Amino acid sequence: DQQVKQNSPSLSVQEGRISILNCDYTNSMFDYFLWYKKYPAEGPTFLISISSIKDKNEDGRFTVFLNKSAKHLSLHIVPSQPGDSAVYFCAATSTKTGNEFYFGTGTSLTVIP
Amino acid sequence: DAGVIQSPRHEVTEMGQEVTLRCKPISGHNSLFWYRQTMMRGLELLIYFNNNVPIDDSGMPEDRFSAKMPNASFSTLKIQPSEPRDSAVYFCASTPTSGVRVGTEAFFGQGTRLTVV
Repeated sequence: DQQVKQNSPSLSVQEGRISILNCDYTNSMFDYFLWYKKYPAEGPTFLISISSIKDKNEDGRFTVFLNKSAKHLSLHIVPSQPGDSAVYFCAATSTKTGNEFYFGTGTSLTVIP
Repeated sequence: DAGVIQSPRHEVTEMGQEVTLRCKPISGHNSLFWYRQTMMRGLELLIYFNNNVPIDDSGMPEDRFSAKMPNASFSTLKIQPSEPRDSAVYFCASTPTSGVRVGTEAFFGQGTRLTVV
C-alpha cells in the first residue's frame, strides 16, 4: 500500500507565479520529509527537507509546509521559473523506527514561459 | 566524488534473458538502496543494504529478482528470467548513515532504463 501519495500527476504554472505541489502520507510514525527533483534521464536530486518538529522550512524560492494533524505537506515555489520544470517526488521516513525512504508517485511540473 | 554510478544506462533484452544492473555507491556511504520507478507506484523501494548486509528485501517483486552487495563499493540487481513487465527505470541510491536521521538524504545514480521485449 502506498504510504506516500501525490495525487496530482501533473501541474502547469505560468512563469513568475507560485507552484504548489502536494503530498499526503498515512504512516503516523513518519517524522522526516524530503522533496526531490528529477529531470529527464537523470536521477532524483535532493531539494529541501523538513523535520516534524517544524511546520515550515524555507530555502530561497522553495518552502515546504508540514501539517502533521492532516498528514499533509506541500512544496511552494515562488516565483516559478522555466528551469523548475521537472518531476517532483515527495519522500518520508521515520528516524526512530525506519531505515528507508518512502517515495510518492511524483508530480510533473511544467512552468510556461 | 563522482556520485553514485550505475551501469549500464540503457539495457534492452529479450524476455527470458538474465539482466544484471550494477551500482557503485559513494565512497564511505553505509547504506545502499535499489528503487524501481514506474508510473503507477513512483519510486518503489526494492531492497536496502546496510554495511553490505541486506536489511529489507520485502519490496523485491518476486523470486526472479535478486540483489547482492559483495563489498562496500559494489552492488548488483539481477533479474532472471526477465519479463516485459520488468521494463522500468531502476535507480540505486546511497546514504552516509546507517539508518535515516534528520539531515540524511539519499544520493541517487542516473538510473538504468531497462526494456524487456
